[in-house]
Amino acid sequence: QKEVEQNSGPLSVPEGAIASLNCTYSDRGSQSFFWYRQYSGKSPELIMFIYSNGDKEDGRFTAQLNKASQYVSLLIRDSQPSDSATYLCAVIKAAGNKLTFGGGTRVLVKP
Amino acid sequence: DAGVTQSPTHLIKTRGQQVTLRCSPKSGHDTVSWYQQALGQGPQFIFQYYEEEERQRGNFPDRFSGHQFPNYSSELNVNALLLGDSALYLCASSLGVGNEQFFGPGTRLTVL
Repeated sequence: QKEVEQNSGPLSVPEGAIASLNCTYSDRGSQSFFWYRQYSGKSPELIMFIYSNGDKEDGRFTAQLNKASQYVSLLIRDSQPSDSATYLCAVIKAAGNKLTFGGGTRVLVKP
Repeated sequence: DAGVTQSPTHLIKTRGQQVTLRCSPKSGHDTVSWYQQALGQGPQFIFQYYEEEERQRGNFPDRFSGHQFPNYSSELNVNALLLGDSALYLCASSLGVGNEQFFGPGTRLTVL
């Protein structure tokens, strides 16, 4: 079992719709959760982080964390073609500071 | 406010050679982590430097080594390059341990 799992996609979303991305993690001691966006050929860009159970909203993005289910999600509202990218989920475990990444979900927003 | 910078942008080496990659952290950050990202995969943690010491290390061989300088900048060295070392090498900086990490643009290493 991988430590952090994501559906590789592609997730095809019509422009203006909501994109829903999911991520599960295996270490129950994980404490910090991050979403990065990565355009093709570029480096990851931090878009959201969440530490506590519940929802956290930032503009068109909402991160949701459920530690009991070991599940973190990202919602992108009013999806735009510029949102087309690979979205990486990453976690930090209780011991240490290293980011453990999932394989990423590719999102395609179609006009 | 300068973000994380890395040099060089691209690098081509042959098997058996050695390479040094450089990273300057975001202004105000003191912790540098290095990651390797193969095509189509998520980044893999190599090691992390804080207070000029290696604090954590991922599952990479001793051919991968690093250093952090008093100004918090860092180097990644890879000896005896293998074809499989071809990847995007990413540097990320943060303020202390456990906080958000911001990535530099990366160095694309190709080993022929």
